[in-house]
Amino acid sequence: GQNIDQPTEMTATEGAIVQINCTYQTSGFNGLFWYQQHAGEAPTFLSYNVLDGLEEKGRFSSFLSRSKGYSYLLLKELQMKDSASYLCAVNYYGNNRLAFGKGNQVVVIP
Amino acid sequence: DGGITQSPKYLFRKEGQNVTLSCEQNLNHDAMYWYRQDPGQGLRLIYYSQIVNDFQKGDIAEGYSVSREKKESFPLTVTSAQKNPTAFYLCASRATGMESGYGYTFGSGTRLTVV
Repeated sequence: GQNIDQPTEMTATEGAIVQINCTYQTSGFNGLFWYQQHAGEAPTFLSYNVLDGLEEKGRFSSFLSRSKGYSYLLLKELQMKDSASYLCAVNYYGNNRLAFGKGNQVVVIP
Repeated sequence: DGGITQSPKYLFRKEGQNVTLSCEQNLNHDAMYWYRQDPGQGLRLIYYSQIVNDFQKGDIAEGYSVSREKKESFPLTVTSAQKNPTAFYLCASRATGMESGYGYTFGSGTRLTVV
């Protein structure tokens, strides 16, 4: 299988930093995506990593370690609008679809 | 502007009825997908299509059917054989060439409720 593992829920305070982890099976790995999904809405693309290292986009950064089968999404200066589910999805060679984790629900409190 | 459109946004179905969810894209994407999402669960793949007139079952295809007669359209029918159809349904598409980093583009979703 291609088990994509994410923690299920976390609560953080406005202005804080939160890190969301994702682990996956490394065999055949060909890229990892992070999506943000607000309740009742479609997921929206946040980031894509295919090489090791950190990709920064404003308040959001995503890190990848291919040898460890590990990625994290870092959310800085949390805002109330960041309350959402964050989905990790992995592309594998030879597969025609992404393998999704169950998502991590982030709740931002004042 | 290019995009992917799902309709309707909300749909109510009586027990024993078939209903069809629409998904249309004008992104010229070859591949299209249908996912189901239940509370507290991730996205589960129902059916997908890589090319016109061809489609494959996903992980939970029982009780569903699809067609791909046009590149732009990938409708999903929820049949009476689907015993627990109440869920949020998402359609997605993507360009070929995943190596270049093209992920999915999602529609806005259809919430189906059995009444």
